[in-house]
Amino acid sequence: QQKVQQSPESLIVPEGAMTSLNCTFSDSASQYFAWYRQHSGKAPKALMSIFSNGEKEEGRFTIHLNKASLHFSLHIRDSQPSDSALYLCAVSRGSALGRLHFGAGTQLIVIP
Amino acid sequence: EAAVTQSPRNKVTVTGGNVTLSCRQTNSHNYMYWYRQDTGHGLRLIHYSYGAGNLQIGDVPDGYKATRTTQEDFFLLLELASPSQTSLYFCASTAGGSGNTLYFGEGSRLIVV
Repeated sequence: QQKVQQSPESLIVPEGAMTSLNCTFSDSASQYFAWYRQHSGKAPKALMSIFSNGEKEEGRFTIHLNKASLHFSLHIRDSQPSDSALYLCAVSRGSALGRLHFGAGTQLIVIP
Repeated sequence: EAAVTQSPRNKVTVTGGNVTLSCRQTNSHNYMYWYRQDTGHGLRLIHYSYGAGNLQIGDVPDGYKATRTTQEDFFLLLELASPSQTSLYFCASTAGGSGNTLYFGEGSRLIVV
């Protein structure tokens, strides 16, 4: 069964800093990789996703994927207090089944 | 944006009690899921469904039943609730396909005393 692990468990950064969150997975057949963000007391919401090796940038957010290393990461440039949330990484085989396997999450706090 | 509505939002029941959590999505999505969220475990899949009348077992199904009555409605049933089922439950839906973006409801917090 797919195992998805995130590091660190929690992170405190000052406003304006670069934040890096990590995710490792165990199933080498994984095809779809995503990050979800969950603000306190709210539902998780999809942030961004990637299929192919390399990186993808959307605004202040960048995903790096290295399938051979079974690792992907999320980088947040110019972190803002509004970025404070629980970040969940998710992995699937990318089929129509839609079974995403989630990590336990990284709690990010951005201090003004 | 996709709309997923859960009820009740909060529920307290006693050990051995009977609980039904409801989920409705109005996005014409085929796939619906029930997850539970516990500190240190992230989101764990309980049951899911590909369409009305279909039911698939997830990763932590023990103690739970589910039923998909229509394309819109997916129910999670706890027939003999136990304290270990105290958790935050999320319903989600997706149109399916390789994109797999899940749209979550706001969650149902269940406490079993």
